[in-house]
Amino acid sequence: NAGVTQTPKFRILKIGQSMTLQCAQDMNHNYMYWYRQDPGMGLKLIYYSVGAGITDKGEVPNGYNVSRSTTEDFPLRLELAAPSQTSVYFCASSPRDHEQYFGPGTRLTVT
Amino acid sequence: DAKTTQPPSMDCAEGRAANLPCNHSTISGNEYVYWYRQIHSQGPQYIIHGLKNNETNEMASLIITEDRKSSTLILPHATLRDTAVYYCIVRVGNNQGGKLIFGQGTELSVKP
Repeated sequence: NAGVTQTPKFRILKIGQSMTLQCAQDMNHNYMYWYRQDPGMGLKLIYYSVGAGITDKGEVPNGYNVSRSTTEDFPLRLELAAPSQTSVYFCASSPRDHEQYFGPGTRLTVT
Repeated sequence: DAKTTQPPSMDCAEGRAANLPCNHSTISGNEYVYWYRQIHSQGPQYIIHGLKNNETNEMASLIITEDRKSSTLILPHATLRDTAVYYCIVRVGNNQGGKLIFGQGTELSVKP
């Protein structure tokens, strides 16, 4: 199993641009999550999904959108990038309400 | 806000046990205590979790006090590779997707 994969690894965006961060898992997990981590801080939950077609907001959802059309994929969309969205983004998946498995992260800079 | 309190940093000698404390005085009866760690720049890694009883796995032991207001993660023989930030997390609610709220964590430095 590849586990949780994220693409791209790095990205630089200009203010106002849009992009989609990709996340995929091959473990058939129902639950998937998006977190962001600012320098020197803990992770903050952006959005999560308990299954295909079901998503819900986390702590810091503003400026982001998600969709979950399949069990495997959980993309995160930034519509109008702002400097405040400069961060490291982690995707995670979980079989139910047990341990979460994290991807390697996407490092995003908005300038 | 996170519902746990951890010391910001700790040191441990290589080969010795690392004991990482966590206070969670407002924990509810149905909330679990989870421990994760994050090695520099990597995604967090699950270590262990527990409800009431002490737990042990191949990575660590988790000791939860009888009143459940605090816990201790024990790495029995710390190695240099255990240098990381350790997060103690109380899971928020049941049937809410297993959301985890991360605090600042404890930065553990294992020294030769």
